Amino acid sequence: EPEVTQTPSHQVTQMGQEVILRCVPISNHLYFYWYRQILGQKVEFLVSFYNNEISEKSEIFDDQFSVERPDGSNFTLKIRSTKLEDSAMYFCASSEDRGLNTEAFFGQGTRLTVV
Amino acid sequence: GDSVTQMEGPVTLSEEAFLTINCTYTATGYPSLFWYVQYPGEGLQLLLKATKADDKGSNKGFEATYRKETTSFHLEKGSVQVSDSAVYFCALSDRGGYSTLTFGKGTMLLVSP
Repeated sequence: EPEVTQTPSHQVTQMGQEVILRCVPISNHLYFYWYRQILGQKVEFLVSFYNNEISEKSEIFDDQFSVERPDGSNFTLKIRSTKLEDSAMYFCASSEDRGLNTEAFFGQGTRLTVV
Repeated sequence: GDSVTQMEGPVTLSEEAFLTINCTYTATGYPSLFWYVQYPGEGLQLLLKATKADDKGSNKGFEATYRKETTSFHLEKGSVQVSDSAVYFCALSDRGGYSTLTFGKGTMLLVSP
């Protein structure tokens, strides 16, 4: 069964360092998303991406964050200069479409720890 | 803005017990409502959904009914199994699709034999 794959499963980084979280969406999907969950808090929407550009982003997704699809298969989230409060579980998702009956498939998450 | 509130966990049950996980929401307009489940080491999986008032979503013995009058979407199962142990997330989308899901915090369910 096709699945969304995220790597690494756990990333530890020092404050101020750049980090790239990687995702391989399901191959025929066109819409891609990043969400995050800070420990003990809600899963929050960060950004959606379609046709090689951001289609929507939340207030959380500031200039420190960027996304790209560098090679047609990977979908990456970059945090330019990590802060302690960026520590969270980051989920990637993809969907074939954005319609009402289209399911978004999520990866297993990358746990980012900023020290 | 939109928000989802779920009951705090963990919920601990014995096998074959009845399960209810409460979920209430606030939203503008007419949102679609979802329950996602995350089994240990896996991603979030859509469990069931309902797109309009009084719709009942169901899957794998789980059910939830979209109650507009009480702004609720409680998850129920008549007889839980050990394999149902997971974290359950209630979510809504106010645009009819999946681009911006608003999630609750998640409720961990632990089922013992």
